[in-house]
Amino acid sequence: AQSVSQHNHHVILSEAASLELGCNYSYGGTVNLFWYVQYPGQHLQLLLKYFSGDPLVKGIKGFEAEFIKSKFSFNLRKPSVQWSDTAEYFCAVNAGGQTGFQKLVFGTGTRLLVSP
Amino acid sequence: GAGVSQSPRYKVAKRGQDVALRCDPISGHVSLFWYQQALGQGPEFLTYFQNEAQLDKSGLPSDRFFAERPEGSVSTLKIQRTQQEDSAVYLCASSFRELGFYEQFFGPGTRLTVL
Repeated sequence: AQSVSQHNHHVILSEAASLELGCNYSYGGTVNLFWYVQYPGQHLQLLLKYFSGDPLVKGIKGFEAEFIKSKFSFNLRKPSVQWSDTAEYFCAVNAGGQTGFQKLVFGTGTRLLVSP
Repeated sequence: GAGVSQSPRYKVAKRGQDVALRCDPISGHVSLFWYQQALGQGPEFLTYFQNEAQLDKSGLPSDRFFAERPEGSVSTLKIQRTQQEDSAVYLCASSFRELGFYEQFFGPGTRLTVL
């Protein structure tokens, strides 16, 4: 079965600091990888995704993530965070057959607090 | 242009009561998912519908949990004889296509508290 590990449960940064959130997954086959974000009081929404091709993917609001297959990792980065990036971030993986293919397996999430 | 909606947003139940949680997916979305999110955890998959067919219910934790989508649009998740461990946020998501991966759009969730 697939699993996802997010190593940082809580991260506190000052504005303009750089961000890197770790995500590792366990699955030996082909995977699709995602980062979702949940801003306070809002729904989960997709930040970025990796299916194939360039392992460096860019998402909304200046976020990017790098897929490193040999390390089973998909870390999220942003060069300079803003107060509005305060949110909970979830890494997720999607793998399996035609019906199981749809299922997302999430990590436990990382709460990011950006102080102004 | 409404997104996924869920009702009620909050539900308090006494242990042993039955509850029904509703999900209205985005119009035209074929696929519908239910996830359970316990406090401090990420969402965990419960079940998946493609139109009215329930193709995967491997995540349902017990036979007290039942989901349906009889006309391929609105879905209901029913929990019978609720227990305290059922307390969680129940998320519904929908996506446009049935095969391959298309973005799942999430609703706001129903927060269930079992006393």
